[in-house]
Amino acid sequence: DVKVTQSSRYLVKRTGEKVFLECVQDMDHENMFWYRQDPGLGLRLIYFSYDVKMKEKGDIPEGYSVSREKKERFSLILESASTNQTSMYLCASSYRQGYQPQHFGDGTRLSIL
Amino acid sequence: RKEVEQDPGPFNVPEGATVAFNCTYSNSASQSFFWYRQDCRKEPKLLMSVYSSGNEDGRFTAQLNRASQYISLLIRDSKLSDSATYLCVGEDDKIIFGKGTRLHILP
Repeated sequence: DVKVTQSSRYLVKRTGEKVFLECVQDMDHENMFWYRQDPGLGLRLIYFSYDVKMKEKGDIPEGYSVSREKKERFSLILESASTNQTSMYLCASSYRQGYQPQHFGDGTRLSIL
Repeated sequence: RKEVEQDPGPFNVPEGATVAFNCTYSNSASQSFFWYRQDCRKEPKLLMSVYSSGNEDGRFTAQLNRASQYISLLIRDSKLSDSATYLCVGEDDKIIFGKGTRLHILP
């Protein structure tokens, strides 16, 4: 069965901390995505990557960075966490020919205190 | 601004009924459309693609109306397990998610 795995289901961090969210997929997908989902705002794309070491900004990249050193792993980094980054973070992946995210991870509910 | 709009609902529908909801999109150049299903506190899951000729998968039918710029999802003989939020997605040079329509199937 295909799998997108996010490292933490729940995470609590403090304002100003550097936070790493990890995502691993086992389907050899080229594309990987990071979204955040907030009530009333829906899913918003933060960054996506279409190949190793490649990345593209999504709709709301401010305050975030990403790393794709290996095909199966896509990391989201909050450089200096702020309370407005409290959210549900969802990682997803897809084959190159289908750019829409095909498989999502379970999500990480991140709280910044 | 490119948008994908959905009625947030909730749609409260008795079990066994047929329910349909639409999603409008603003960018006429959008090429591909999809429906996702998201259960409470779970991740979205791809439900079906929407083709110009329509797409049927069991009790689910998705249709695209390019002239009026909307896609629709029809669920026949609804089950309690169909209760979820349904997300509409449009794709041109980027992927845009709608905010979802909540569906509650009532016993």
